[in-house]
Amino acid sequence: EAGVTQFPSHSVIEKGQTVTLRCDPISGHDNLYWYRRVMGKEIKFLLHFVKESKQDESGMPNNRFLAERTGGTYSTLKVQPAELEDSGVYFCASSQEFAGGPYNEQFFGPGTRLTVL
Amino acid sequence: AQKVTQAQTEISVVEKEDVTLDCVYETRDTTYYLFWYKQPPSGELVFLIRRNSFDEQNEISGRYSWNFQKSTSSFNFTITASQVVDSAVYFCALSEANSGYSTLTFGKGTMLLVSP
Repeated sequence: EAGVTQFPSHSVIEKGQTVTLRCDPISGHDNLYWYRRVMGKEIKFLLHFVKESKQDESGMPNNRFLAERTGGTYSTLKVQPAELEDSGVYFCASSQEFAGGPYNEQFFGPGTRLTVL
Repeated sequence: AQKVTQAQTEISVVEKEDVTLDCVYETRDTTYYLFWYKQPPSGELVFLIRRNSFDEQNEISGRYSWNFQKSTSSFNFTITASQVVDSAVYFCALSEANSGYSTLTFGKGTMLLVSP
């Protein structure tokens, strides 16, 4: 079974440009999460999808960030326009539906390293 | 609000040494989960362990062991007889019942360098 995949693995753009990150969760996982790690800091939660609906987007830093999950499969995270402080590693994770026990493990992808010059 | 502190930014050891990575957490919730993840140079986050707040038993898995103490809000991770392949960034994380366990709060990570 394929794990969580993210594309691209690395993106270098200039300030003011637009970048779109993609995450493909594990097949059948209804829950999809985006996290971000800015250099030297903790990994921070951005948002959580349940299927195509945004369950929690309290971690989104500002309205330059737009996440979508059309059809409840893969998700995209667009940054427009990108700023220098957006540089970091963006992780995606997925988990199964919350059925049975209180917690289902989040499986993480390899991350996309975004560099804004 | 919830918080996870990993005070050690970087630790360097020589192979075969034992090493302990510290994790201190803050939460107002009585029901929560604690985690350790490993991030090797390849970049992905690899799940190591999950422990719920009602289970304070220490756990051992091969060379890895975890010491959970609610009295000090700590969940420390020890690697016995470290190996070069243990070199990675290790993250401690917390998930609370109040958030429906849906979000993970991470510490800043501890980079472990194991030299031959």
